[in-house]
Order: sequence, then C-alpha cells, then structure tokens
Amino acid sequence: DGGITQSPKYLFRKEGQNVTLSCEQNLNHDAMYWYRQDPGQGLRLIYYSQIVNDFQKGDIAEGYSVSREKKESFPLTVTSAQKNPTAFYLCASMAGLAGSEQFFGPGTRLTVL
Amino acid sequence: KQEVTQIPAALSVPEGENLVLNCSFTDSAIYNLQWFRQDPGKGLTSLLLIQSSQREQTSGRLNASLDKSSGRSTLYIAASQPGDSATYLCAATGFQKLVFGTGTRLLVSP
Repeated sequence: DGGITQSPKYLFRKEGQNVTLSCEQNLNHDAMYWYRQDPGQGLRLIYYSQIVNDFQKGDIAEGYSVSREKKESFPLTVTSAQKNPTAFYLCASMAGLAGSEQFFGPGTRLTVL
Repeated sequence: KQEVTQIPAALSVPEGENLVLNCSFTDSAIYNLQWFRQDPGKGLTSLLLIQSSQREQTSGRLNASLDKSSGRSTLYIAASQPGDSATYLCAATGFQKLVFGTGTRLLVSP
C-alpha cells in the first residue's frame, strides 16, 4: 500500500535534548512537508522540500532542522533551541506539480517533560 | 499573505441533517482549495480537491464548491451520520505551499 509513515507515534523529550522525527513515503512524491499543530490553531508550516538535497524554511522554522538525502525520507530534528516543542507534528507529501493533492501521515505527538 | 478562515468553529447537529461548512481566503491567486477531515489524534485525510478552474467537486455525500472571486469555498455534507463527527479543515494552495484554516469541529448526534 502506498502511503506516508511517521515514527514514533509518541515521543517524550527532556529539556535540552534534540530529537528526530521520522517521515517516509512510498508515493514517489517529489515534495515533502513538515507541519506543527497546536490546540485551537491551524497547521503551521515548519519546513518543506521540493526535491532531494534541497529544502526551504516555512513560517516557523526556528529551532528545527531537516535533511532530504533520499526522495522517500524527510526527517525533522527538534533542537533544544525550540522553546515550546510540545505539539502534534504532521508530515505530508505532494507530487510536486502545482495544484497537486497533498497527503498526510498519521502524525507524531511530542511532549517535553 | 494568505489568510484562511473557517466558520463556524464548532457545529452540533442531529443525525440526518444536511449541513454546510464555510471557508474563506483573502488571496484569490490560488492553485486549488483542498478539504480535509481530521479525527482526534490522527493525521489529515483528504476529502476533496477543487482546482482553481473548477467550481465544484463531489464525492459521495460530500460536495465542495469554490468561488475564487469572492474568496469562498463551502463543504456540503448531505444526510449527516455520527461517523461524520470530526474536524474539517480547508487549505488554500499557493505555489507549493498550503495555508490552513483552524477547522470546524463537527459533532453529529444519533
């Protein structure tokens, strides 16, 4: 089955730690995205990548980093510089053509202890 | 900067009712408008995508319309069922990026 997987489903982080969230897709999509969702707010774009080895900052990139070494993988690292990282993180992908449909993974809930 | 607003924020209806969810956007220069469903603690499921050149799309009991000139889209749900209970989000697509509304939380009571 084609789709997007995210792991882990739940993640707990201590203050000062970096953690990496995994996102993998087998849809052969060029573009991949990371969003953050907080209660009562819409999804906010963290980073996106339109092609391997290239990525751009979204609206709230501070305290986050990404890599895109393979077409199917787009991991997100939440660094200790992110002051309020507790949130629900969603990964998405799109074929890359303007106007294409965007598909989402099941999400990772990150909690800072 | 694109801004997307969804009204109402929450809606509670009895089973069987037809209902309309509203989405408005400030910049009409969009590629498409996408509607999603989100269940608690889950990812987003794409429901309908309306290209900028289209006026509406239908899937089963769902019908979405798009009026770019007025910056509005509506999602019509016919004969609502308890299984329709979820949060519905709309997103306006610019070049490679989506801007989301905050969603409408729908509760359909048996």
